[in-house]
Amino acid sequence: AQSVTQPDIHITVSEGASLELRCNYSYGATPYLFWYVQSPGQGLQLLLKYFSGDTLVQGIKGFEAEFKRSQSSFNLRKPSVHWSDAAEYFCAVGGTYSGGGADGLTFGKGTHLIIQP
Amino acid sequence: EAGVTQSPTHLIKTRGQQATLRCSPISGHTSVYWYQQALGLGLQFLLWYDEGEERNRGNFPPRFSGRQFPNYSSELNVNALELEDSALYLCASNTKRTGITGELFFGEGSRLTVL
Repeated sequence: AQSVTQPDIHITVSEGASLELRCNYSYGATPYLFWYVQSPGQGLQLLLKYFSGDTLVQGIKGFEAEFKRSQSSFNLRKPSVHWSDAAEYFCAVGGTYSGGGADGLTFGKGTHLIIQP
Repeated sequence: EAGVTQSPTHLIKTRGQQATLRCSPISGHTSVYWYQQALGLGLQFLLWYDEGEERNRGNFPPRFSGRQFPNYSSELNVNALELEDSALYLCASNTKRTGITGELFFGEGSRLTVL
């Protein structure tokens, strides 16, 4: 069964500092990987996705993520965070339309990002 | 293009009552997914509808049910409400094209509070 682990429940970063959020996945086939962001009381917005090709993917709001198959990781990075980046971040792994994709995406528990002034 | 829309935004009920939540997918999307996001529990898969049929359900009791209409909009019903049903209910949609990868497009959610 597929699974996603986000080892950090909370992360506190100073405004202007760099950020890395960790994500490890378990999936029996080629994974399709996603990062979503959720502001308080809101739905989930897609930040970026990896399907194939270049292992470094660029997303919205200055975020990027790197797929490392050997480490089963898909860590999210940003060189300089802004106060508006404070939110909950979810890593997810996807599957095929039928069978493996029958429950849409498998999500990690999320990482709560706090930005210090 | 309109995104996934959910209603109501907020709903307050008492224990034992029934709640109905609604979702309209992105135009052209045939699949609708429902997730429950309770405090501290992350996103838990509830139900998947595609082309009017229930295709899969998560580990929830039968009092959680729903349906998908011919226009692909969907309704989630929660009967005999319990306090622990208080949560943000998220609806998401996709098509056969995006469904291959599992990519989902989310609505803003419906906040259900059970008193």
